[in-house]
Formats: sequence, C-alpha cells, structure tokens
Amino acid sequence: DAGVIQSPRHEVTEMGQEVTLRCKPISGHNSLFWYRQTMMRGLELLIYFNNNVPIDDSGMPEDRFSAKMPNASFSTLKIQPSEPRDSAVYFCASSLGQGSETQYFGPGTRLLVL
Amino acid sequence: GDSVTQMEGPVTLSEEAFLTINCTYTATGYPSLFWYVQYPGEGLQLLLKATKADDKGSNKGFEATYRKETTSFHLEKGSVQVSDSAVYFCALTQGGFKTIFGAGTRLFVKA
Repeated sequence: DAGVIQSPRHEVTEMGQEVTLRCKPISGHNSLFWYRQTMMRGLELLIYFNNNVPIDDSGMPEDRFSAKMPNASFSTLKIQPSEPRDSAVYFCASSLGQGSETQYFGPGTRLLVL
Repeated sequence: GDSVTQMEGPVTLSEEAFLTINCTYTATGYPSLFWYVQYPGEGLQLLLKATKADDKGSNKGFEATYRKETTSFHLEKGSVQVSDSAVYFCALTQGGFKTIFGAGTRLFVKA
C-alpha cells in the first residue's frame, strides 16, 4: 500500500515567493495533519482536518500560511509570501479519524527560503 | 492542558548497551500512549503503543509499559544496535484526533 505522499520533496525558493506543498493521505483515512519541524522549535502541529473540514488551525503561525483540503485525497499548505524563517521540514500525516489512533507520516518536504 | 515530557538528549550508547528513555505525561483522562521513531531524512513512524493502564507495547526489541500511577511510559531496549540511532518521540492522544508529541530524544549508538 502507498503511504502518505508529499510533493515536492525539496523546495528552494526566494523570499517573497509563493510556496505550495502538497499531500495525498492514505486512502480511507479521514484525518489529515500538517506539521513543521525545525531544530529550534521541534515538531509543531500547524493544522488538522477531519472529513476535509479544518478542526484546529491554532498552530498556523500567521496569515501568510493557509491550508485547504478540497477532497479526501488531497491537501495543500500554502505560504505566501515566504520568508527565510519559514525554512523547515513540513510533514503531512493521516489517520483513520476515529480518535486516539496512530498517525502515518509522509517523508516530508524540506523547504529552504533564501 | 495535556502534555508530554521526555528526557533531553542526545543519548550516546555503545552497541549492546541497555537503553532507557524516560517519558512522563499530564492528562485529565485516560490517554493512549505512543512511541514514534524518526530515522534520518524520514518522517515519524510508529514504534509501539499502549491504550490502557498496565498495557505493555513492544516492537523490534523495544518495549514500554503504561504506568498510570506514575503517569509514565518509559522506552526500554535490552541491547541497542547502531541501526537504532534515531530520534524517539513520546506522544499521547486522548479522545480526539490531535496527538501531543514530546520534544524528541536523539539516540546515537556507537559500534
């Protein structure tokens, strides 16, 4: 079975540019999570969806960040405009969505904003 | 609110040494407890879990016991290998969909 798929795996961009990260969750999973990981701040939950509806976006750092889940098999995380402090590894994870269960992580997108 | 505290790293061990990584939690109810592992350049993956008090989760020689009286879920392995070098995250979920992760503990195993 395919796991969580993220694209691109690596992204290098210049400050001020728009960045779009993509995620395809495991088929049949109803919850989707976006995380950011840095050395300084560790693993941070940005937003999560259940049945395509955003449940908690309190971790989104500021208005420059937005996330959508137009259907059960696709989600995007957009940063506009990007800044050097956004450089991090961004992970998408999915779970069955029944509560208290295992999350399955994608391989991550390594973002570098110059 | 709910929280997870795990020992700071890095932890450096020689091959075949005994490993303990401490994890304690704060939660109002009866959470499920997890250990995730992250190998270099990869996402987190489940190592083991326990869903109720006194349960023992185990996988790949690692084990952890859900201790409600001490609110702990310490990770142990009797004999580590170089391939166990990774970052280990303790985590909990309670009822809802959100998982609370600890800060992670980096393990280095020397040959």
